[in-house]
Amino acid sequence: DVKVTQSSRYLVKRTGEKVFLECVQDMDHENMFWYRQDPGLGLRLIYFSYDVKMKEKGDIPEGYSVSREKKERFSLILESASTNQTSMYLCASTLGSGGDGYTFGSGTRLTVV
Amino acid sequence: RKEVEQDPGPFNVPEGATVAFNCTYSNSASQSFFWYRQDCRKEPKLLMSVYSSGNEDGRFTAQLNRASQYISLLIRDSKLSDSATYLCVVNLNTGTASKLTFGTGTRLQVTL
Repeated sequence: DVKVTQSSRYLVKRTGEKVFLECVQDMDHENMFWYRQDPGLGLRLIYFSYDVKMKEKGDIPEGYSVSREKKERFSLILESASTNQTSMYLCASTLGSGGDGYTFGSGTRLTVV
Repeated sequence: RKEVEQDPGPFNVPEGATVAFNCTYSNSASQSFFWYRQDCRKEPKLLMSVYSSGNEDGRFTAQLNRASQYISLLIRDSKLSDSATYLCVVNLNTGTASKLTFGTGTRLQVTL
């Protein structure tokens, strides 16, 4: 089974801090994604990457950046955390065109105070 | 208009009931379709893909109507363990990578 691992389950950070959320997958998947999930809004795509060092903006990239230096690792960076970035963050990966759906990590619940 | 729309529910049904969820999507170029299940405070997990001819997996039946841009999920003989949020998901290949768009989910509560 593909495993997607997110480094932290719960995280509390202060406003203005730089925050790193890490995601690692162990099945050589090309495509990796970062979503956030909020009540009533569902999952919204922040950024995705289809290859090492490649990245594309999703639907809500403002306030975020990403890094993919190695195929198995995709990091989400909050340059200066704000309270409206309090959310559940979900990383996902898929091998090819996504025709088989995604495998998600267990999520990181980030609270910015 | 949202790209993927679902009735949020909740649907409260007794054990053994049959329940159906519907979903509409706005982009006619969408290429593949899925139902995901999400338990409370857990990550979404793939329940089943949805094929044009309709497909069944045990008590679950999924249907797709491309002309109407409509997807459905039917659950027969509901179990308590079916209680979860069901996410309708649509895949659009952008050329560089696929991109899944999620509905906000329909919550199902199965009761004794």
